[in-house]
Parts: sequence; structure tokens; C-alpha cells
Amino acid sequence: IVMTQSPATLSVSPGERATLSCRASQSVSSSLAWFQQKPGQAPRLLIYGASTRATGIPARFSGSGSGTEFTLTISRLQSEDFAVYYCQQYNNLYSFGQGTKLEIK
Amino acid sequence: EVQLEQSGAEVKKPGTTVKISCKVSGYTFTDYYIHWVQQAPGIGLEWMGFVDPEDGETLYAEKFQGRLTMTADTSTDTAYMQLSSLRSEDTAVYYCQTIAAVGIYWGQGTLVTVSS
Repeated sequence: IVMTQSPATLSVSPGERATLSCRASQSVSSSLAWFQQKPGQAPRLLIYGASTRATGIPARFSGSGSGTEFTLTISRLQSEDFAVYYCQQYNNLYSFGQGTKLEIK
Repeated sequence: EVQLEQSGAEVKKPGTTVKISCKVSGYTFTDYYIHWVQQAPGIGLEWMGFVDPEDGETLYAEKFQGRLTMTADTSTDTAYMQLSSLRSEDTAVYYCQTIAAVGIYWGQGTLVTVSS
């Protein structure tokens, strides 16, 4: 299954909302996770099961979607949120999107 | 607390083999697959394959078949990833990962540098 994330780069000002998209080439049901990665660090789980926030993840992070279309929304962006975000499907084998870089506008 | 602790950085010559370990704690080792993920410099994440610690079953991504071996030792709760015939393009950080019922957990990553 091919996972396609858009946009490749997203420029947003602190305090504003960011919306990241992930599309699957075929249905992955709700077996979709979102990760945040900062330079030199391992990916950090934000969302699994398409919409369940991982332990300790702030409420400003939310996930939605099922089947082939998924969205990660970050409301009221804070400085520490600027990073690269990846989606991963684990319904039919396993595959990652190519990432979205969220940068400060 | 679930933890995946990986072995340290490696420097290897082309044509040789690297073996990385991933020791897990905080859950029953045989309950979930251990996956391995490659991240080349400046590149995204690529799933390499998994090992089922319960019975040793493996599944590898086509790109790595023939060079990749994943094993699991239930006596030490440790998974291993071995990549052979190393080439410069294998220079990357390698992560182990487990997808559990209530979360997805990662090791800290192991940098493998392939250089003559």
C-alpha cells in the first residue's frame, strides 16, 4: 500500500492551525498512525488507530479519517511542534508516507 | 513502561555484515512482532520487515530480501536485525519498532555507517 502525504512542506505561523493529509492507495481501515520526528531523534507516536491520542500527547493534536483519507490537525501551533510528520499504515503489511515538514512561517 | 533499547553505532566496510540488537522490556516479548525501519540521511522512513518472537516467523520487504535476517531470542527478550553485503547506500539509522494494542513504540535508533 502506497501512502501519500501532502503537502510536502507546510508553512504556518505559531498560534495558527495546521492540517496535514495522508492518503492510502487502498483502504487501511483505521490502522493508521501519526508520528512527529525532530532532527536526531526517534519518531514520537502522536496518534494511533487513526484518532486515538497516545499517552501524554497534548489535546491540540487530533487525528481523523478512515479507509483511504486521513488528517492530522494541530490547533494553536507552538514552537515545539515544528518538525517532520509521518503517517504509517499497519493494516496490510506496513508502509510510511514520505513525510510533511511543518515549518515556521 | 515499554522500552526498546538498541545496540550502539557501527562503522562497517562495504561487503561486510552488521547485526543490531533490540532488547525489549515492559511487556511480554512474544505478544507482538518486532519491526525494523531504515532511515537514510535526509530521507524518510522505510519499513524493512518484521520477526514474530513467538515462532520466529519473518517477513521482509522486497528491497531487502536476500540480504536481511531477523531473529528473536525469547531467553533474553532481544530481537536482532542482520544486514549483509553492505554498501554505501545502507548508511542509515535503523530503528526497531513494536505495534502493540495500546501504542506503537520505538527504539532510540542505531546509526550504521558503511565506508571504506
